[in-house]
Amino acid sequence: QVQLVQSGAEVKKPGASVRVSCKTSGYTFTDQEIHWVRQATGQGLEWMGWMNPDSGDTGYAEKFQGRVTMTRSTSVSTAYMELRSLRSDDTAVYYCVRDVPKYCSRGRCTRAYDYWGQGALVTVSS
Amino acid sequence: DIQMTQSPSSLSASVGDRVTITCRASQPISNFLSWFQQKPGEAPTLLIHSTSTLHSGVPSRFSGSGSRTDFTLTINGLQPEDLGTYYCQQNYRTPPVFGQGTHLEIK
Repeated sequence: QVQLVQSGAEVKKPGASVRVSCKTSGYTFTDQEIHWVRQATGQGLEWMGWMNPDSGDTGYAEKFQGRVTMTRSTSVSTAYMELRSLRSDDTAVYYCVRDVPKYCSRGRCTRAYDYWGQGALVTVSS
Repeated sequence: DIQMTQSPSSLSASVGDRVTITCRASQPISNFLSWFQQKPGEAPTLLIHSTSTLHSGVPSRFSGSGSRTDFTLTINGLQPEDLGTYYCQQNYRTPPVFGQGTHLEIK
């Protein structure tokens, strides 16, 4: 069965960096995009970016450009998200999600986040 | 960016009720819409993709409809385990923005 298992909770000081891992299993890692979504306590879902595990291509939300890097290791079917220059408002649960194409027509496909990691709480505090 | 606006932001309903949540996109998104459920303390899970297709294992009391800018999630016969927060998301254009969420309480 498909699983996305994330690394554990982290506590970081302002200005530091954090790397969250997302180990996948149950499917071919390079076949589907991985996206990252975060959620501050009591708040909604915020999209951060995507990565193609096959090519390594990435795309980031404008808000995080220059501060985030998404990478992967195909040998261990794991995606990584690094966020730098942490601030207190980066305190959130960070989710990796598998993004799959669903219905395709004329070169475009509807898509779906069909599997989510369990989330990794990152706390930024001095 | 495409903006997604959900309503209501919260609601309270009784077991057995029919519940409707709406999601409006700031521009047409065809049928490129998903719905997610998030139970307290858990990661979100996919309910519906492509506006109206139920994800595997999702109970048939959930249904989705709509097109272009206006979409609806309906729960027919609310169950106690349906409490939580519901989010819509468009995947027509990057960034794939989420609605702000609808918090559902069981009376």
